[in-house]
Amino acid sequence: AQKVTQAQTEISVVEKEDVTLDCVYETRDTTYYLFWYKQPPSGELVFLIRRNSFDEQNEISGRYSWNFQKSTSSFNFTITASQVVDSAVYFCALNSGGSNYKLTFGKGTLLTVNP
Amino acid sequence: DTGVSQDPRHKITKRGQNVTFRCDPISEHNRLYWYRQTLGQGPEFLTYFQNEAQLEKSRLLSDRFSAERPKGSFSTLEIQRTEQGDSAMYLCASSLTGRRAQGSGNTIYFGEGSWLTVV
Repeated sequence: AQKVTQAQTEISVVEKEDVTLDCVYETRDTTYYLFWYKQPPSGELVFLIRRNSFDEQNEISGRYSWNFQKSTSSFNFTITASQVVDSAVYFCALNSGGSNYKLTFGKGTLLTVNP
Repeated sequence: DTGVSQDPRHKITKRGQNVTFRCDPISEHNRLYWYRQTLGQGPEFLTYFQNEAQLEKSRLLSDRFSAERPKGSFSTLEIQRTEQGDSAMYLCASSLTGRRAQGSGNTIYFGEGSWLTVV
């Protein structure tokens, strides 16, 4: 069985603060993919990043960075110098090799960045 | 056409009526997915197509739900005899798999969703 846990339901920060969104996953597959999506109030799920299970290199894209640690089954997402436009619900998702046609999502973390 | 598009974006219907949603995937994407999302929850998988073939249906997809992708391009999701519990956002997504996918395989792109309210 696959499971994704986002323990933080809501986070509120002030603009320019750094914020980390936690994601812990469970799967028995050795081949899997992890994703982060952003869902602004409009509803569209915006793809942010995909990481496969064989690549534990951390990744940085502008103000976004991701820390993948297989030892703790975590795939955390950090926003540096947050901005009001970062306010959204962020979802972590898992797609494993045995069922590579579907994503298992966490419940999401609502991030509010206040000016 | 740069993304997945869905129509209508919002639908309010009376209990017992039928509704149909349409999804146009990213051009040349061979897989198409339907998900459902309720308030405060992450999206849940409903069904998916590989080209025109519907390969899996979740147990969430009761017999009142039917999805089609007749020519392997756009898809429709119909809900018959709607119930209040059907109120949710229905998300369509697509991906490219196989040799042409190369490094982008398994990346699933979502549309803006179709909000359904059953009153």
